[in-house]
Amino acid sequence: GAGVSQTPSNKVTEKGKYVELRCDPISGHTALYWYRQSLGQGPEFLIYFQGTGAADDSGLPNDRFFAVRPEGSVSTLKIQRTERGDSAVYLCASSLVEGGNEQFFGPGTRLTVL
Amino acid sequence: RKEVEQDPGPFNVPEGATVAFNCTYSNSASQSFFWYRQDCRKEPKLLMSVYSSGNEDGRFTAQLNRASQYISLLIRDSKLSDSATYLCVLRSSNTGKLIFGQGTTLQVKP
Repeated sequence: GAGVSQTPSNKVTEKGKYVELRCDPISGHTALYWYRQSLGQGPEFLIYFQGTGAADDSGLPNDRFFAVRPEGSVSTLKIQRTERGDSAVYLCASSLVEGGNEQFFGPGTRLTVL
Repeated sequence: RKEVEQDPGPFNVPEGATVAFNCTYSNSASQSFFWYRQDCRKEPKLLMSVYSSGNEDGRFTAQLNRASQYISLLIRDSKLSDSATYLCVLRSSNTGKLIFGQGTTLQVKP
């Protein structure tokens, strides 16, 4: 079956611009997670959703970052006034249930802020 | 101090070698432990869960020592296809939030 998909695969933007990153989880998975991975580092947790609600957003670095999951399926990560330091690979993962043993990751969106 | 510490390597080993990776964690409340594998410019994929009793999956053996807050991964008879970054991962609660180490890079050479 289809895995987690993310669009776009690559995004190049200029400092100060607004970007939206989309994640389509595996069908039927109720939990959805966003992580950010910088070069040479492991992924860092940003936010996770159980259904439509953000159950834990403690990893969002500041108020320029926001994410939604209005219908409990697709999620969008939104970044306002992008900075060069936001450049990273943004990974989305889903699991069947909250706390499910395996999280399935999408291929990521590589964001470059010039 | 990072919550999960790994030696980033790289570990360069010949085919057929046995190689071991170690990982330490600081949060004693951590509940679940995993090794994920990440190929270059790809997403992480679950390699195996780690249990206190130790567990084996083919050429891979994982061990957890809760008292020492230490996790290990042993790869026997290394293959060229084992070349990747191995991420030590823990989950501290039932919410599913994963905490990753920096990753250890393995390069298996012919």
